[in-house]
Amino acid sequence: KAGVTQTPRYLIKTRGQQVTLSCSPISGHRSVSWYQQTPGQGLQFLFEYFSETQRNKGNFPGRFSGRQFSNSRSEMNVSTLELGDSALYLCASSLGGTSGSHNEQFFGPGTRLTVL
Amino acid sequence: AQSVTQLGSHVSVSEGALVLLRCNYSSSVPPYLFWYVQYPNQGLQLLLKYTSAATLVKGINGFEAEFKKSETSFHLTKPSAHMSDAAEYFCAVTRGAAGNKLTFGGGTRVLVKP
Repeated sequence: KAGVTQTPRYLIKTRGQQVTLSCSPISGHRSVSWYQQTPGQGLQFLFEYFSETQRNKGNFPGRFSGRQFSNSRSEMNVSTLELGDSALYLCASSLGGTSGSHNEQFFGPGTRLTVL
Repeated sequence: AQSVTQLGSHVSVSEGALVLLRCNYSSSVPPYLFWYVQYPNQGLQLLLKYTSAATLVKGINGFEAEFKKSETSFHLTKPSAHMSDAAEYFCAVTRGAAGNKLTFGGGTRVLVKP
């Protein structure tokens, strides 16, 4: 079974631009979560989508948004990029349940975003 | 609110020595606990998880962790370190019923000396 894939793997943008990152979950997984990883703040939860609905949201400004499609693929968008948005963005998929093995999350390799 | 504390941002061990990584959590409800490993330029790989079954959990690559409710701890151990264990390790907690939001500790980077 193919793992979680994220595209692109690397991205360079300038301040003020917007960016869209894509995540394809493991086949059969209905939940996709996004995390931001930076040296200063560590790993922080952005949001989770389950069956095309946002089920959880972290403490990030409204410039960060996401969506999920009917095939469970997910995109996240960051508008009006700031230097501090430079980070590794990780996507994780799971079956979507909240107990037992259903909440086990499988991570993709990440998208490294650099904002200049 | 949940939180996770990993004691020690860097740990150095000799090859063949015990690896011990400490994790303490706070959660108002019984948690689900996880240990992940991250190699350079890669995503996170699940090492093991605690889901309220056995308190001693065995994972991949010879790692295991023990859930101690009285100490709110979930420390990760490996009896004998291998050079390939050099990586960053993250402890994480989720409440389960709140969906799949993982709260991570700050991470511990492990250096293995030959």
